[in-house]
Amino acid sequence: EVQLLESGGGLVQPGGSLRLSCAASGFTFSSYAMSWVRQAPGKGLEWVSGISSGGTRTYYADSVKGRFTISRDNSKNTLYLQMNSVRADDTALYYCAKDGALVTPLYFDSWGQGTLVTVSS
Amino acid sequence: QSALTQPPSASGSPGQSVTISCTGTSSDVGTYNFVSWYQQHPGKAPKLMIYEVTKRPSGVPDRFSGSKSDNTASLTVSGLQAEDEADYYCSSYAGTNNFVVFGGGTKLTVL
Repeated sequence: EVQLLESGGGLVQPGGSLRLSCAASGFTFSSYAMSWVRQAPGKGLEWVSGISSGGTRTYYADSVKGRFTISRDNSKNTLYLQMNSVRADDTALYYCAKDGALVTPLYFDSWGQGTLVTVSS
Repeated sequence: QSALTQPPSASGSPGQSVTISCTGTSSDVGTYNFVSWYQQHPGKAPKLMIYEVTKRPSGVPDRFSGSKSDNTASLTVSGLQAEDEADYYCSSYAGTNNFVVFGGGTKLTVL
């Protein structure tokens, strides 16, 4: 059974930094692209960032480009999202999602339960 | 404003069929056969229901089906059941500039 367990969320001040983690199990982590998808309170889904199975290719939504960095450690079956220069509109539940493809984000066949990031002074 | 346009709400009685539309552009839905649909119950994570326009993951009932015509994709739920009441989101691959875009979501109510 695929399991994705996010951690690292919390309260952060505007302009601050936070690192999210996602521990994966139940599948061959190194064989799949992975993504972060967020959902602001009461709002819809927004794809944030993706990374290829080998970690060599990374992809970002315009809203976070230059501020967030996605990475993965296939030896630890863990996905990361480094969030810098956070803003109030980054407040959301951040989901870790397993992609159905190897390289490019296409669709997400497994999701974690999410970790909440609140940006406020 | 979401990249893909969905109606905010849809409804049907148990046993009926309901179709939810998802309108994009020639840069996403109209070009790529990577449209997917997700079901989200309150307080829960999204669940993949349809991928690559028409394919159902293992375990998803065949009451759920997907289709696409030009720039509009559709999700049809046949034989509505109470547990189908949820929010539904469409998504599409949008090329190497935007990668993945979502619709704003449709709240499906089973009357």
